Amino acid sequence: QVQLQQSGPGLVKPSQTLSLTCAISGDSVSSNSAAWNWFRQSPSRGFEWLGRTFYRSKWYHHYADSVSSRITINPDTSRTQFSLQLNSVTPEDTAIYYCARGMNFFDPWGQGTLVTVSS
Amino acid sequence: DIVMTQTPLSLSVTPGQPASISCKSSQSLLESTGKTHLYWYLQKPGQSPQLLIYEVSNRFSAVPERFSGSGSGTDFTLKISRVESEDVGIFYCMQTILLPYTFGQGTKLEIK
Repeated sequence: QVQLQQSGPGLVKPSQTLSLTCAISGDSVSSNSAAWNWFRQSPSRGFEWLGRTFYRSKWYHHYADSVSSRITINPDTSRTQFSLQLNSVTPEDTAIYYCARGMNFFDPWGQGTLVTVSS
Repeated sequence: DIVMTQTPLSLSVTPGQPASISCKSSQSLLESTGKTHLYWYLQKPGQSPQLLIYEVSNRFSAVPERFSGSGSGTDFTLKISRVESEDVGIFYCMQTILLPYTFGQGTKLEIK
């Protein structure tokens, strides 16, 4: 049974970098059949897909245009996890962030991390 | 981006009664392979979303038979034949035919 466990700070100052990690158990970030995604949910923006990484003989990364200039999703094959980095955050980035496995549909999901951007 | 529009945004249903949610996409979700990339999720209070229906009408593992999905092209429907108290939460449709993947606004189900 695949499980995803998120970790990272719940409070980030404006202009700084939001960093979250999603630890994978029961699967591999290097799997040739899975993809590893980040989403966020906020009252103002609803549910938003942020990006993904996956391995198919080489690594691929896809990002939503809304955050593409600020986001990096990296696999960590040594620790079977993947990370989200979002630079230059503003209060608009305050949201619950989720990781999830999948290419076209998503299961399982991480438990969610509320990240507040505030000084 | 593909816009997903759900109606209604809220439902209040007596246990044992049916419920129906509509989801319309701004463009067809039918892929050249014949698959239609429309999915339904339920987010129960305080939880992460859980997949209910994939590719319009296929129930995911362990999803009760009272949930069913239908539709094609740009118009889709999720039906609950007999609502139970455990169905409380927010239902989302989602498209994954085109990046960025997009969600409907959500339909909040309450029990009368």
